[in-house]
Amino acid sequence: DIVMTQSPDSMAVSLGERASINCKSSQSLLSSTNHENFLAWYQQKPGQPPKLLIYWASTRESGVPDRISGSGSGTDFTLTISSLQAEDVAVYYCQQYYSIPPTFGQGTKLEI
Amino acid sequence: QITLKESGPTLVKPTQTLTLTCTFSGFSLNTDGVGVGWVRQPPGKALEWLALIFWDDDKRYSPSLKSRLTITKDTSKNQVVLTMTNMDPADTATYYCAHRRLQLWFFDYWGHGTVVTVSS
Repeated sequence: DIVMTQSPDSMAVSLGERASINCKSSQSLLSSTNHENFLAWYQQKPGQPPKLLIYWASTRESGVPDRISGSGSGTDFTLTISSLQAEDVAVYYCQQYYSIPPTFGQGTKLEI
Repeated sequence: QITLKESGPTLVKPTQTLTLTCTFSGFSLNTDGVGVGWVRQPPGKALEWLALIFWDDDKRYSPSLKSRLTITKDTSKNQVVLTMTNMDPADTATYYCAHRRLQLWFFDYWGHGTVVTVSS
């Protein structure tokens, strides 16, 4: 199984400031076939299911605000919130879909 | 509009079998490429993928839980059923069903989840 490791486990950021969450995979998620990285990001607010934010490491899902972006390639990825809003308080998970079983990071709790 | 909803018991005893049902709308499990999966989340912990069933009745399971899981579908009822045998307190979690993005292995629509507690 591919192991996904996120850092930090939790972080506090002021409103309007930038937040960056890192995700590292135990093997490359870059496909030689389509040159895409098989990496997704989710946001989970308390008492709610995960919400898909990003796939292909950097493609924003429809309706996701453009202050949220994904970057990285190979084994190292970053989710960035450029200007933190109150509604961004949540736990964020990365997930690889390069191989079965799909696996998730342990989550990063983002607070204000 | 795609929706999914999980149902099942909230409390099961150790060694019992858990049966969860996912009832969905807005898509058909008869359509090429469609898949519905199950993901669980123990309290305060991370997400763990369990199983997925495809439109053609192909099935995939988490290797660590494969011996305990069975996933089936009833396309006439728009339902997917997950059974997990020999339940243990460590299986206490919120169980989600989710729609797989076509031909890919991430999940774009999720149910709200159902909480299952394993306790005698």
